[in-house]
Amino acid sequence: DTAVSQTPKYLVTQMGNDKSIKCEQNLGHDTMYWYKQDSKKFLKIMFSYNNKELIINETVPNRFSPKSPDKAHLNLHINSLELGDSAVYFCASSRSRATGYTFGSGTRLTVV
Amino acid sequence: TQLLEQSPQFLSIQEGENLTVYCNSSSVFSSLQWYRQEPGEGPVLLVTVVTGGEVKKLKRLTFQFGDARKDSSLHITAAQPGDTGLYLCAGVTGNQFYFGTGTSLTVIP
Repeated sequence: DTAVSQTPKYLVTQMGNDKSIKCEQNLGHDTMYWYKQDSKKFLKIMFSYNNKELIINETVPNRFSPKSPDKAHLNLHINSLELGDSAVYFCASSRSRATGYTFGSGTRLTVV
Repeated sequence: TQLLEQSPQFLSIQEGENLTVYCNSSSVFSSLQWYRQEPGEGPVLLVTVVTGGEVKKLKRLTFQFGDARKDSSLHITAAQPGDTGLYLCAGVTGNQFYFGTGTSLTVIP
């Protein structure tokens, strides 16, 4: 059973388009996250979300928005895609930050 | 400058060699984790250390948390090609969670 699954694995789209990445976890974790991994492999937090609180990294453009239909899902919607949005995006979940994260396998987004 | 600096950034060694990866900070961490990320996959948690001076072993991997909880090291004995990947430290300080800058390891058969 896949613990954290995200789709699609690859996404190629044109500038200006709107796209969504879906994420689901079956671990019963309370908190889910979206991370962006840049070309230097650095992982940068974008959002963390539990059923009580959404925490947004202030450096994330408001073109990015998380949407959580329920505790097991946290989707990422991106409006007006730009070339600089090209990266690998990871969904993750945790019971607590101290106990560690479980990551999905990533979505490689390429904006052309 | 990132809060958690890893060194070296890149490491290429022959199969059978030993290596150490370092994770350093000027901040005190309440816990620190190590992850390994293989190409095309997400990071996978290897270990969590919480006590200053703590040492944990996972087969050929030895993890140590510094006495002052500001640094950590990962030592691999007799590296194998399957150890190839990106190693990331990460930790909690001041109620914030940070990832390290990463060490890309290649083990050549």
